[in-house]
Amino acid sequence: DSGVTQTPKHLITATGQRVTLRCSPRSGDLSVYWYQQSLDQGLQFLIQYYNGEERAKGNILERFSAQQFPDLHSELNLSSLELGDSALYFCASSADRAGDEAFFGQGTRLTVV
Amino acid sequence: GIQVEQSPPDLILQEGANSTLRCNFSDSVNNLQWFHQNPWGQLINLFYIPSGTKQNGRLSATTVATERYSLLYISSSQTTDSGVYFCAVGAYSGAGSYQLTFGKGTKLSVIP
Repeated sequence: DSGVTQTPKHLITATGQRVTLRCSPRSGDLSVYWYQQSLDQGLQFLIQYYNGEERAKGNILERFSAQQFPDLHSELNLSSLELGDSALYFCASSADRAGDEAFFGQGTRLTVV
Repeated sequence: GIQVEQSPPDLILQEGANSTLRCNFSDSVNNLQWFHQNPWGQLINLFYIPSGTKQNGRLSATTVATERYSLLYISSSQTTDSGVYFCAVGAYSGAGSYQLTFGKGTKLSVIP
């Protein structure tokens, strides 16, 4: 168990819908990262938050947004879903902003039908 | 951004054999990690190894930061070692933001 908790584990939804994925980091970790893993793109970095502030942005679509709350949990919001958004979404956390070891949650498997 | 290349892309081993997986990266890094993704999709931390050598049971890893590569050794492989092995490197981009960038992975299949 990495200590990073993601919910839900599985999600099936229809095109055009909006979903929210939730992540609780390891106790004491201030950084949260979101990744998308699809078959054709591998593991792609989406966005990072550090202590409530956005710190880095990767290949995140405009339809996607995220935030980190004062209790340090994070949510990834995916809207106007398309079939191509079907993927495994991972959250990771680390103690500090950069360089520290990152630990990953079990992922949320999103299927858009 | 930084490029991460892993080789080989696929590897089939007989149980009990040894193997070496390689990760090359294109620039200086602050962090290098090896992960094992099991058949259920879970990413398991194997090593945090920005430089030097570490060992954990049948697995060991070496990173030569000055030459921009890392190696993961698996000895006496078991069927439970099957899965995808990822190398991920952490570095600052030109814009000053930090990212952990993954390679495409090595898919290992260990057959009895």
